Amino acid sequence: NAGVTQTPKFRVLKTGQSMTLLCAQDMNHEYMYWYRQDPGMGLRLIHYSVGEGTTAKGEVPDGYNVSRLKKQNFLLGLESAAPSQTSVYFCASSVEFQSTDTQYFGPGTRLTVL
Amino acid sequence: QKEVEQDPGPLSVPEGAIVSLNCTYSNSAFQYFMWYRQYSRKGPELLMYTYSSGNKEDGRFTAQVDKSSKYISLFIRDSQPSDSATYLCAMSGDGSGNTGKLIFGQGTTLQVKP
Repeated sequence: NAGVTQTPKFRVLKTGQSMTLLCAQDMNHEYMYWYRQDPGMGLRLIHYSVGEGTTAKGEVPDGYNVSRLKKQNFLLGLESAAPSQTSVYFCASSVEFQSTDTQYFGPGTRLTVL
Repeated sequence: QKEVEQDPGPLSVPEGAIVSLNCTYSNSAFQYFMWYRQYSRKGPELLMYTYSSGNKEDGRFTAQVDKSSKYISLFIRDSQPSDSATYLCAMSGDGSGNTGKLIFGQGTTLQVKP
């Protein structure tokens, strides 16, 4: 049982390049989330999914797209990377979409955009 | 002004000290309050969860919520070097129905010196 895994762990992009971050969970969780973590800003929700085939915008969705084609996977895409998207990205999953339910986080992807 | 404010520290204490970590918030509608612990280069993990006002104790950790002051605290007794981490407060349940959407503080970095 690996929990939540993220691929890749590190990535350096040039401005304008595109990439996809992959999140996978083996806990059969219905709900999945993408956050970014920046110094002095804490964790901010980018997009989330309440089930296979559904996605919704979070607090800072601009410049990102997501897809949830399979229940266990949640992809985060950057179509044209900008230096402002340099951050650590965390994926999380939970059984329910309730505050009482624990969100389990992956180890993060460190992205640098030059 | 951010909805949730947390002193980023860093906070350095000797082993065995009592540690107090705090967050203030502006949205009086928040009902659910959480503390996450994040070790260096790792994802956050849920430490404690409290609903509405009051105290909750779990071993050396005590979480307090004062809704009248919009202030939450996490106390760590007999702190250990293994407690060295970043502690993030999070809250939700703002009446919008999306109780799964968490609002995080900036995180406080704690170092416990042997």
